[in-house]
Amino acid sequence: NAGVTQTPKFRILKIGQSMTLQCAQDMNHNYMYWYRQDPGMGLKLIYYSVGAGITDKGEVPNGYNVSRSTTEDFPLRLELAAPSQTSVYFCASSGQINGYTFGSGTRLTVV
Amino acid sequence: EDQVTQSPEALRLQEGESSSLNCSYTVSGLRGLFWYRQDPGKGPEFLFTLYSAGEEKEKERLKATLTKKESFLHITAPKPEDSATYLCAVLGPNDYKLSFGAGTTVTVRA
Repeated sequence: NAGVTQTPKFRILKIGQSMTLQCAQDMNHNYMYWYRQDPGMGLKLIYYSVGAGITDKGEVPNGYNVSRSTTEDFPLRLELAAPSQTSVYFCASSGQINGYTFGSGTRLTVV
Repeated sequence: EDQVTQSPEALRLQEGESSSLNCSYTVSGLRGLFWYRQDPGKGPEFLFTLYSAGEEKEKERLKATLTKKESFLHITAPKPEDSATYLCAVLGPNDYKLSFGAGTTVTVRA
């Protein structure tokens, strides 16, 4: 099925470890986004991209990095994981001014 | 900065008991207001986009309306399968980033 695919679904990291959350879409969307969702806090934008090779910071970029080498893929890198990065991470993509398509999320716990 | 406030935080309804969710927003030059449904453990699912004050959209038991300051999501005669968190988001004039509210969690009891 067409859509946004995120891997892994669950991950436990130790403090200081690093990891990459993968996101791929097959809808040929130019725009891709990474959000984190914490209880009672809504979705907060981490990074976004308007096309291959172009990325920009959102509201909460500290501790994260992204790259966009292809239209399809938009990985999110966590360096030196901290407990504050425990959250559910959602990747999304969109065409122009229409609704986002979200992935199913990655639940990350940092201990 | 765009601001979106949703109320109430939680809503418990009896099956068939109609109600409304509120989304108040502050954005200079609204390009679109979006409603999403999110089930536990899943990503948000797109419901509606509203573009201008006075616009209304319907889907099954859901109806979304828009004014210059707020949007309402009306749930008519809800069923247990309407239980979910409903998210509101706005798109400002100069970019493609949605700003989300914290959501309203709706529980419908049979």
